[in-house]
Amino acid sequence: LAKTTQPISMDSYEGQEVNITCSHNNIATNDYITWYQQFPSQGPRFIIQGYKTKVTNEVASLFIPADRKSSTLSLPRVSLSDTAVYYCLVGDSDYGQNFVFGPGTRLSVLP
Amino acid sequence: GAVVSQHPSRVICKSGTSVKIECRSLDFQATTMFWYRQFPKQSLMLMATSNEGSKATYEQGVEKDKFLINHASLTLSTLTVTSAHPEDSSFYICSTKIAGAEETQYFGPGTRLLVL
Repeated sequence: LAKTTQPISMDSYEGQEVNITCSHNNIATNDYITWYQQFPSQGPRFIIQGYKTKVTNEVASLFIPADRKSSTLSLPRVSLSDTAVYYCLVGDSDYGQNFVFGPGTRLSVLP
Repeated sequence: GAVVSQHPSRVICKSGTSVKIECRSLDFQATTMFWYRQFPKQSLMLMATSNEGSKATYEQGVEKDKFLINHASLTLSTLTVTSAHPEDSSFYICSTKIAGAEETQYFGPGTRLLVL
């Protein structure tokens, strides 16, 4: 089971790009990397998922180096509403391994 | 994405009573649902996996007789906290996955339980 490590907290200002890196040194061949966002008193929300290289959607980009031992969630031009906890999950659903939530990164966006 | 609802959104009960929380998949069928618990300022912890038509699979340390899970249909799973005590006060969240996109979980809005 791939363990993940993220910074506990980050501060940013509105309009800046925010990059949150997750370390997963023992990621397995079949593991996907998934990021979720959680606001207080709400369930997590899927942001982005990738296996290798770069993935981009309408809200974020995910950068995964060739060795896949880390990944970086990039949020372009954050706003106050992006203040939340961001979780990185790594695992293979066939083995029920993508359900272990680490402590996440608490992002605070300041005006 | 898929829509998952939970009911109630919050509940307050007296110690010793039982509380049922419903998790519904609104626009798809879910053969498997997952139940998490989250204490304040902490991360989510998987409690159990709910399988339609069969017994739930509980994570280590989770009492199956205290947290009863029923998944009687493809769109509904229920979690019953039996004989609730103040230490059971928490945020309970369900999730599910869609066939063909099993790597992604879709979460419900959560249920805040307060046991007095």
